[in-house]
Amino acid sequence: QQQVKQSPQSLIVQKGGISIINCAYENTAFDYFPWYQQFPGKGPALLIAIRPDVSEKKEGRFTISFNKSAKQFSLHIMDSQPGDSATYFCAASTGGGNKLTFGTGTQLKVEL
Amino acid sequence: KAGVTQTPRYLIKTRGQQVTLSCSPISGHRSVSWYQQTPGQGLQFLFEYFSETQRNKGNFPGRFSGRQFSNSRSEMNVSTLELGDSALYLCASSEKPFNSPLHFGNGTRLTVT
Repeated sequence: QQQVKQSPQSLIVQKGGISIINCAYENTAFDYFPWYQQFPGKGPALLIAIRPDVSEKKEGRFTISFNKSAKQFSLHIMDSQPGDSATYFCAASTGGGNKLTFGTGTQLKVEL
Repeated sequence: KAGVTQTPRYLIKTRGQQVTLSCSPISGHRSVSWYQQTPGQGLQFLFEYFSETQRNKGNFPGRFSGRQFSNSRSEMNVSTLELGDSALYLCASSEKPFNSPLHFGNGTRLTVT
């Protein structure tokens, strides 16, 4: 019940394309859903986050779509660039807290 | 502002030893959390401290412990190291323990031989 399932495990996208990463959760008490980006040798960096009272949030080329009834949320990266090549993690917590349950990660490679 | 600082960056220890990792949060941040990252288990929550008190604890054995000081700095300790403790240990800080973005450091890479 505490798991967050993330797919795909890896993704290859052409430069300029759209990268889509999906996550699903079981615990209906989750109320905070951040996405993190991690480069090799670095810690995860917060990209964008959403709460269940909105269905979509956009920041630059990054958009989170949230479907509360399906208990799913996804990250869309528009106009993907080689610099976006990294591992992306979805996460969830209750009460907007710092005890995050992470997905298993998606390795994104953007090819020229 | 300086980011979350973790020391040391790399550490090699032998089974049975103990280790202490250090974390300095972003200035003004009073909440510090620790996570373990491994290829097999991914990112897992260890514990969280706020105002020197442990607020939350993950599902790790009692060999894993931590503390927070009055200046918000934090340390975590692992006693009686096992090979399976080899991991990247990440510290993260936020202004408060809820509704506040969590910022991660670059971690301490612990190798147990």
